[in-house]
Amino acid sequence: NAGVTQTPKFQVLKTGQSMTLQCAQDMNHNSMYWYRQDPGMGLRLIYYSASEGTTDKGEVPNGYNVSRLNKREFSLRLESAAPSQTSVYFCASAREWTEAFFGQGTRLTVV
Amino acid sequence: DQQVKQNSPSLSVQEGRISILNCDYTNSMFDYFLWYKKYPAEGPTFLISISSIKDKNEDGRFTVFLNKSAKHLSLHIVPSQPGDSAVYFCAARRGGGNKLTFGTGTQLKVEL
Repeated sequence: NAGVTQTPKFQVLKTGQSMTLQCAQDMNHNSMYWYRQDPGMGLRLIYYSASEGTTDKGEVPNGYNVSRLNKREFSLRLESAAPSQTSVYFCASAREWTEAFFGQGTRLTVV
Repeated sequence: DQQVKQNSPSLSVQEGRISILNCDYTNSMFDYFLWYKKYPAEGPTFLISISSIKDKNEDGRFTVFLNKSAKHLSLHIVPSQPGDSAVYFCAARRGGGNKLTFGTGTQLKVEL
């Protein structure tokens, strides 16, 4: 049972490049999330999806787009990467009203 | 506006003693609280939770206390072990919602 799987684990981008972070869960959860972790800032919610076909903005959505491709997959896209988007990105999933399960993270550096 | 606050960035405790990690929140609509543990280069893992209808929840060495009037919760680890050394995040959820709001984390170091 893999839980929540994120790809890639590491990525270096040049300013202005685009990329998509992939996330898949095999727990049949309805809710999925994207967070970023920065030093001294904790985990901040970028976007979330309460169910297949719906997405909503979190605290820090600017510069990102998401797609809930199906119940299993929730991708995060950076259209034009900026150095301020250097961070560790975590995908998570949850059943309603329960704890969220996190992936291993993607360490992204934008130079 | 930081709705969930962990004011101690770090805490050092001796092995076998009690570790107490604190968390304050400002939003009175929060009704479910969680603690997560995070090791370097790994994702956060769920540790323990508490509903606002309770004031205490225990799971082995871990106990979470909730003081609703003070909008404060704490995580007690007894006895502390070196393997408990990690970053601990407090998180909260609004009633009827499915978003988690996290604090900034506390780095716990358990020394031999």
